[in-house]
Amino acid sequence: EDKVVQSPLSLVVHEGDTVTLNCSYEVTNFRSLLWYKQEKKAPTFLFMLTSSGIEKKSGRLSSILDKKELSSILNITATQTGDSAIYLCAVGPSPLNFGNEKLTFGTGTRLTIIP
Amino acid sequence: GAVVSQHPSRVICKSGTSVKIECRSLDFQATTMFWYRQFPKQSLMLMATSNEGSKATYEQGVEKDKFLINHASLTLSTLTVTSAHPEDSSFYICSASQGWGYTFGSGTRLTVV
Repeated sequence: EDKVVQSPLSLVVHEGDTVTLNCSYEVTNFRSLLWYKQEKKAPTFLFMLTSSGIEKKSGRLSSILDKKELSSILNITATQTGDSAIYLCAVGPSPLNFGNEKLTFGTGTRLTIIP
Repeated sequence: GAVVSQHPSRVICKSGTSVKIECRSLDFQATTMFWYRQFPKQSLMLMATSNEGSKATYEQGVEKDKFLINHASLTLSTLTVTSAHPEDSSFYICSASQGWGYTFGSGTRLTVV
């Protein structure tokens, strides 16, 4: 059974700081890893990483996949109060099989940004 | 972008009653809908996978007679919590895929009193 573990479980930093969130996984056959941001309701999609796309960046957020270490990190630079949320990591199927197979989520990291 | 509409957003019901939660894909056809449950400060736990026109596949430990899932059309899936008890109080979220990722509904917070 696939397993995803995130660390730290919670993190409190001041606005402007840079944070790194960790995600490690144990899967029989790695296909994809996804990052989501969950504020109060539905998770919103951030990044998808695969063997052919191990690094993604969008504004102040970036993510890297380390297949050798079976892990991924999510970096947020110059944090803002609006970044406060739970960040979820999940392993999933090949993008070609999206819609047919489930995601397995990690424990999540609760990030709090203090003004 | 793809949108999944989930209703109700919040419901309080009495113990022993049943509650139905709906998820609709508004601008795409969702052949598969995933139903998750989230306890406070915990991650999303998959309950079941529903495919349009067929019976849902439940995860181990999830009572299929208690959590009834129906996926009668490509745009609508429902989860009915039957004979709800306080321990069923939780946050329920649906999710559907459009090929490039998974879109989640806004969730339903169920409180059973």
